[in-house]
Amino acid sequence: RKEVEQDPGPFNVPEGATVAFNCTYSNSASQSFFWYRQDCRKEPKLLMSVYSSGNEDGRFTAQLNRASQYISLLIRDSKLSDSATYLCVVSSNTGGFKTIFGAGTRLFVKA
Amino acid sequence: DAGVIQSPRHEVTEMGQEVTLRCKPISGHDYLFWYRQTMMRGLELLIYFNNNVPIDDSGMPEDRFSAKMPNASFSTLKIQPSEPRDSAVYFCASSLYRQITYEQYFGPGTRLTVT
Repeated sequence: RKEVEQDPGPFNVPEGATVAFNCTYSNSASQSFFWYRQDCRKEPKLLMSVYSSGNEDGRFTAQLNRASQYISLLIRDSKLSDSATYLCVVSSNTGGFKTIFGAGTRLFVKA
Repeated sequence: DAGVIQSPRHEVTEMGQEVTLRCKPISGHDYLFWYRQTMMRGLELLIYFNNNVPIDDSGMPEDRFSAKMPNASFSTLKIQPSEPRDSAVYFCASSLYRQITYEQYFGPGTRLTVT
């Protein structure tokens, strides 16, 4: 079992749609959680951190469920520019710093 | 404010040659990471430094790979000798420790092709 698992997609959605991605992690000692966005042939860029209380940034909402060990990302009112790969990232600092990137979920938003 | 800078952006070399990748982290960041990304294996952490000291190199695939950070503003990743299976995009990232969060900022990457 991978330490961080994501549905690879692709998700194909029309503009204006709401889309949700889930990510599960296996290390219960994980402390920090993030969503990164990666455009084709570009570097990953931090989209948002994920906090236990959940957090929202414009059209993007991230949730963390520690009991079930999963993280979610909700994108409302999808734009063409949201087309990218979304990477779930889990970090821990127990017994040494460790960061694991998920394989990513590809999103295509179409007009 | 400048982000993470990597050079070269593209490198094409022949098998057996030495390759050196360079990284300048964001000023003031105390962590530096080297990653490798391929289609098959995704993004893999190779090694990371804290305050210029290598902390964990367990992700380095073989002894052919080595990394140094002689000062807070410069790091290198060296492959010697290079092999075709080393072809990948190599990213450098830096981070500033804040409580327990490690938001990492990536450079544009070096696309390495070994023929």
